Amino acid sequence: GAVVSQHPSWVICKSGTSVKIECRSLDFQATTMFWYRQFPKQSLMLMATSNEGSKATYEQGVEKDKFLINHASLTLSTLTVTSAHPEDSSFYICSASPIGSATNEKLFFGSGTQLSVL
Amino acid sequence: LAKTTQPISMDSYEGQEVNITCSHNNIATNDYITWYQQFPSQGPRFIIQGYKTKVTNEVASLFIPADRKSSTLSLPRVSLSDTAVYYCLVVPIYNQGGKLIFGQGTELSVKP
Repeated sequence: GAVVSQHPSWVICKSGTSVKIECRSLDFQATTMFWYRQFPKQSLMLMATSNEGSKATYEQGVEKDKFLINHASLTLSTLTVTSAHPEDSSFYICSASPIGSATNEKLFFGSGTQLSVL
Repeated sequence: LAKTTQPISMDSYEGQEVNITCSHNNIATNDYITWYQQFPSQGPRFIIQGYKTKVTNEVASLFIPADRKSSTLSLPRVSLSDTAVYYCLVVPIYNQGGKLIFGQGTELSVKP
């Protein structure tokens, strides 16, 4: 089946630094990708919709200047956590489906990135 | 989007059949019921999706009564590797393959 790859799988950074997380669709193209955040023992929370060639759409309460999203190609979206703080420590997950797909069966999630901010 | 309610946790033993029920009283006519599985430190994985009656695939079965206000995910003969969190979602047909709103999920623990 289709694969969505995330990199890195885990990252540790110092408070105040920025961290970039990549989400790639390996064998399909996607005009839209989605970014989620998940805290321990909690459900996934949708952060934003990444749109190829245009601005991302952020969910209410998510700071767009804090979480920069770039979707420069049909196979790559990046999430940059700027000026990271310990409260940004979380598991970040992306998802994508092939262009024209109209079923959740073809919606694939990445393996996630665990961010720890010291 | 229709809200879903499912048990927070369930315990089972290897070889047993596990049924996880999800309530979605406000489901709309164009909503589909979708279940995802998530292992620790991994992204969710699609299990099964249905609109009404029964759907079966190689992993699970999904039972949906006529009023569609609830659904039951059935996992036959679970093994230790089925220990995971299971999410029930109600997704409009026009949002298939798009953003998903996850509820609390059911943490299934399978014991030897």
